[in-house]
Amino acid sequence: SQTIHQWPATLVQPVGSPLSLECTVEGTSNPNLYWYRQAAGRGLQLLFYSVGIGQISSEVPQNLSASRPQDRQFILSSKKLLLSDSGFYLCAWSGTLVSLLFGPGTRLTVL
Amino acid sequence: GESVGLHLPTLSVQEGDNSIINCAYSNSASDYFIWYKQESGKGPQFIIDIRSNMDKRQGQRVTVLLNKTVKHLSLQIAATQPGDSAVYFCAETRNNAGNMLTFGGGTRLMVKP
Repeated sequence: SQTIHQWPATLVQPVGSPLSLECTVEGTSNPNLYWYRQAAGRGLQLLFYSVGIGQISSEVPQNLSASRPQDRQFILSSKKLLLSDSGFYLCAWSGTLVSLLFGPGTRLTVL
Repeated sequence: GESVGLHLPTLSVQEGDNSIINCAYSNSASDYFIWYKQESGKGPQFIIDIRSNMDKRQGQRVTVLLNKTVKHLSLQIAATQPGDSAVYFCAETRNNAGNMLTFGGGTRLMVKP
């Protein structure tokens, strides 16, 4: 069965520090991968999606970037975090199914 | 489209009652609709889906109704339980959209014991 992992689960970082969040998928190959952000009490905002290794599409211009170094690995990064980067970051994947399957999320607090 | 930036509306129901969560969509070309449940601190979980050629689909204690005329989607939960307390999101996509989902703003369901 397919599973999706995210780490860390929670993270507290100072403003101006770098960021690296990792997402890995097991039990599938060549998945479409997505990064979403969710502010407290809000809906889901699509940040990036990837249809293959090295292929990244950005939905919203921002302080973040994404990379896909391997087929089942998706990384969200920032060189300098802003206060507004705080939120709940969700990785998701889709294969042959139309619906997305979400990971457990990473809670990021920027102080 | 996405409703980022809006506070979530809240539906409060008594345990044992039926719940109805509504969602309006704007794209008449959408082919496929999905309901997700998100518990506090967790990722959204798939509940039920429906294709645009259907107007009703039932699962275990849940029913999704689709009214394409008025672009309205609803999720009905029978005999609501405390474990149903969560935020519920609807999502839509088109067959040729490459699995790109458009999420609604979400509704928070609170179940009173």
